[in-house]
Amino acid sequence: DAGITQSPRHKVTETGTPVTLRCHQTENHRYMYWYRQDPGHGLRLIHYSYGVKDTDKGEVSDGYSVSRSKTEDFLLTLESATSSQTSVYFCAISGDGRIYGYTFGSGTRLTVV
Amino acid sequence: GDSVTQMEGPVTLSEEAFLTINCTYTATGYPSLFWYVQYPGEGLQLLLKATKADDKGSNKGFEATYRKETTSFHLEKGSVQVSDSAVYFCALETSGSRLTFGEGTQLTVNP
Repeated sequence: DAGITQSPRHKVTETGTPVTLRCHQTENHRYMYWYRQDPGHGLRLIHYSYGVKDTDKGEVSDGYSVSRSKTEDFLLTLESATSSQTSVYFCAISGDGRIYGYTFGSGTRLTVV
Repeated sequence: GDSVTQMEGPVTLSEEAFLTINCTYTATGYPSLFWYVQYPGEGLQLLLKATKADDKGSNKGFEATYRKETTSFHLEKGSVQVSDSAVYFCALETSGSRLTFGEGTQLTVNP
């Protein structure tokens, strides 16, 4: 398999609660990414990582934080979930995008009520 | 900044019809270009890619040619099947190893 897993696959949470999504890879790739998918917007980059403890913001980073303490794990945290963060979240990994492309996880469907 | 524009969908075709999904981009430098496909309830899968001008990516009967002069990377298939029904995303790799996506095009193929 592709060597990337996301957890949980589905989650319903209440407004104002913290939420953490996990992305785990077994490919030892340098780069890891979090995207959100919303109708009419395609996929938009939230945060990405180019190494352990090296992260940077994407185009829709407000309200999100990330951490990468090990090569294989990249965590996305919603500090205080809002209804606008209801979305499908995808993790992706890349060793060298030009050669191998980017590999995506199966997604986490998050609903904030 | 870098951006990708895809033709608006949804697109509905009959089986064995010819498919074109238009994709144009704006980018500095020489980005790599990708097409990804998303089947219902699944993540994105790499369909094909091209890394320099005039390169043609191909896979599963789909093709796309990197046209620098028209900043385009249109996806084509000569004869679509019901199993090709999915959402198709055009994307480019920006500097710093990040993907920028178009909005996606929903394709439905009827028998």
